[in-house]
Amino acid sequence: IAGITQAPTSQILAAGRRMTLRCTQDMRHNAMYWYRQDLGLGLRLIHYSNTAGTTGKGEVPDGYSVSRANTDDFPLTLASAVPSQTSVYFCASSEREVAGKGEQFFGPGTRLTVL
Amino acid sequence: GQNIDQPTEMTATEGAIVQINCTYQTSGFNGLFWYQQHAGEAPTFLSYNVLDGLEEKGRFSSFLSRSKGYSYLLLKELQMKDSASYLCAAMDSNYQLIWGAGTKLIIKP
Repeated sequence: IAGITQAPTSQILAAGRRMTLRCTQDMRHNAMYWYRQDLGLGLRLIHYSNTAGTTGKGEVPDGYSVSRANTDDFPLTLASAVPSQTSVYFCASSEREVAGKGEQFFGPGTRLTVL
Repeated sequence: GQNIDQPTEMTATEGAIVQINCTYQTSGFNGLFWYQQHAGEAPTFLSYNVLDGLEEKGRFSSFLSRSKGYSYLLLKELQMKDSASYLCAAMDSNYQLIWGAGTKLIIKP
């Protein structure tokens, strides 16, 4: 693994189904993020984790949950998918610093369609 | 509230120079980022400014004015491969990035 990987690459899901999007990084970054990207809108933060064992809510957390059991993995779960969750989902990580640039590195994305 | 504004789309000619502007309003400020995103791909980091002034990196430069809440990305000697969306993002007091919707740059021969 080099950088951040996400799985699956794409998925078509029936409404009401449960789905987990996987994200793994090998850079030992302490911070990880989940974004959704919709046409005409900026990246919107769903959930984040500043370090293993902690998570926080972003701008659009409803309908999503995350866990951070270790440094490398940050799965995103849709408990009961709805069509409005159709989007491209990006996972990102950064070496979070109190005073520094905190550049975020992105995974290749998961294209999710909920019917 | 927190807000990032940038133009939706710009067109430029191969070999020319283009400036993409971004204005921001955030709760606190810990720097301004520019990312490039080709269609169907992930965003990739271009530049970071936290102090006023110009940062130059090859054909790309980024400028910041904290007092005006303003930044721009300057692309010189445009190449066809520069056709992409350019995302402006400001880091707020919680070290979270607030993203603009992106500027789609179209390069014509």
